[in-house]
Amino acid sequence: GNSVTQMEGPVTLSEEAFLTINCTYTATGYPSLFWYVQYPGEGLQLLLKATKADDKGSNKGFEATYRKETTSFHLEKGSVQVSDSAVYFCALYDSSYGKLTFGQGTILTVHP
Amino acid sequence: GAGVSQSPSNKVTEKGKDVELRCDPISGHTALYWYRQSLGQGLEFLIYFQGNSAPDKSGLPSDRFSAERTGGSVSTLTIQRTQQEDSAVYLCASSPGVSGNQETQYFGPGTRLLVL
Repeated sequence: GNSVTQMEGPVTLSEEAFLTINCTYTATGYPSLFWYVQYPGEGLQLLLKATKADDKGSNKGFEATYRKETTSFHLEKGSVQVSDSAVYFCALYDSSYGKLTFGQGTILTVHP
Repeated sequence: GAGVSQSPSNKVTEKGKDVELRCDPISGHTALYWYRQSLGQGLEFLIYFQGNSAPDKSGLPSDRFSAERTGGSVSTLTIQRTQQEDSAVYLCASSPGVSGNQETQYFGPGTRLLVL
């Protein structure tokens, strides 16, 4: 079956630091890949997505590149802000199953 | 436009009682999904509807859980004889379905269920 593995958290950074959250996946087909973000007290929001190999998804300064050779979709941001503090979930969608499979989530805390 | 809405936002119940959770998807979205978010289990898929039918019920954790969707819109997730391990946030999502972008799912705010 499909699975998603995210780096262990929590991650604590100072404002303007560089962020990387690692995500790797296992899938039998050719999934689409997503990053969702959950801000404190709010629901899940789509942050970015990539639908095929070598695609780069980007939004709000965050980027992730679909790497089929390493089965990875690492999330990066060059300069984090306090407002980026949230839980980040990597996920894959396989049309064979019609559902999202999520990683365990990574808590990010950014200090001023 | 309006997003996915869920009610109630919070529900406290006693062990053994039945609960009903409601989801209103984005208008026009034909696919609807239920997930559960709990400590230690992360985000788990429960059930998926395409229109009013559920081609995949594999994620329902026990026969105490059931879901239905009527009119291709509103869905209800019912938990019978609730147990303390049912305490979690129940999330609903919708997507345009087979006629559109099926893979991008839009989530509601969730219902936080606490079973005492």
